[in-house]
Order: sequence, then C-alpha cells, then structure tokens
Amino acid sequence: AQSVSQHNHHVILSEAASLELGCNYSYGGTVNLFWYVQYPGQHLQLLLKYFSGDPLVKGIKGFEAEFIKSKFSFNLRKPSVQWSDTAEYFCAVILYGNNRLAFGKGNQVVVIP
Amino acid sequence: GAGVSQSPSNKVTEKGKDVELRCDPISGHTALYWYRQSLGQGLEFLIYFQGNSAPDKSGLPSDRFSAERTGGSVSTLTIQRTQQEDSAVYLCASSAWRLLAGVDEQYFGPGTRLTVT
Repeated sequence: AQSVSQHNHHVILSEAASLELGCNYSYGGTVNLFWYVQYPGQHLQLLLKYFSGDPLVKGIKGFEAEFIKSKFSFNLRKPSVQWSDTAEYFCAVILYGNNRLAFGKGNQVVVIP
Repeated sequence: GAGVSQSPSNKVTEKGKDVELRCDPISGHTALYWYRQSLGQGLEFLIYFQGNSAPDKSGLPSDRFSAERTGGSVSTLTIQRTQQEDSAVYLCASSAWRLLAGVDEQYFGPGTRLTVT
C-alpha cells in the first residue's frame, strides 16, 4: 500500500543540537513533498515544500530538506535547534496531478532549554 | 489576507446527534479539503472540492459523512448520527491552482475539535 513513513516518533534533544527527521514514501511516479509543523496549540503551518528543481530545499526558521529520489526520501534537518522548535512535524506527499495530501504519523520533537 | 477559518472551534455533542462544521477558505482559493486528525489514525484525508464539485470524496469514512461547498467558497461538513469514534479534530485546508503543477500548497485552518459523548 502507498504510504508515508516517519520514524522515531518522539525526539528529545537539547538546544543547539542538530535535528534530522526521516521521511520515506512508497509512491511511484512524480511527487510533490512537504513538511508541515504544528506548534503547541497552533494549526498546521508549512515549513517547506519541494515541487521540482534543486533537491535541497530551504524553508522557514532555518529548516532544510533534501529530496533523494533514488531513496524515496525527503529528510528534514536543522543544524541547531531552539526551544521554540518544540512541535510536531509532519511529512506529506502528493502524487503529481493528484490532490490529497498523504501524511506520515508525525514526529513529536521536544527541545530542552 | 485572512487565513482559513473554521467554526466552531470546539463542539461537544451527544452520540446520535447530527453536527455541522464550517470552513471559510482563503479568498480566491479554488481547492478546498477536509482532513481528520485523531490520536490513533493521524491525519486522514476526507474529501476534496474543486470549485463546488467534489471529484474526490473517497476518504469519507461512512455514508453518515457528507460535505458541500457553495459559491466556490464556504464548505460545510455534516456528520449524521454521530458516534464516539467520530471524535477528532476536523481540519479544513485550501489551496490555489498552480499552472502546470495543479494544486499548490495547502493552507490549514485551526480545526474544529469534535467530542462525541
């Protein structure tokens, strides 16, 4: 079945540590890829997106993600996290020409000051 | 302009009652989506509107769920004879149409938290 996988659902790290969240999908064909973030008590917000072009995508708040087509992956990274990065992070995929977002289960990230 | 808005923000209802959830998309966005977020199932797609028509309603979990969109704007999700398993946060999103790529990124509303007692 087509799916989006995110591992290590709960991540706890200290400020200034580096963060990498994995995302793998099982769809064939052309895909559009997204990372959304949900801060405590807030709604889902787009962190970054990949449609085409440079596979290294830079988003807001110092986040970046790399699309590796051969590995069906779109991992999210941030070199140095802050307490304010405490949130739940969701990877999402849309098949080109499709409309529905398929989400991973999310990563709950807690940054300790 | 304003983002996606949803009402009510919270709804508590008794099992067996009908509920209506409302979504106001971003002005000019032709595409509108409903998703459901629950602890056990994560984020699930329910239905997609392009204008007033719903070419993809395959995510609706049962015939108790229905949705409509009028004037290419406001949408209402209706759940009839609510069950406890319907308890979840119902999210609405909207997007513009992106030339050559179809729909663009989706902007989400704050959601309606539905609790069925």
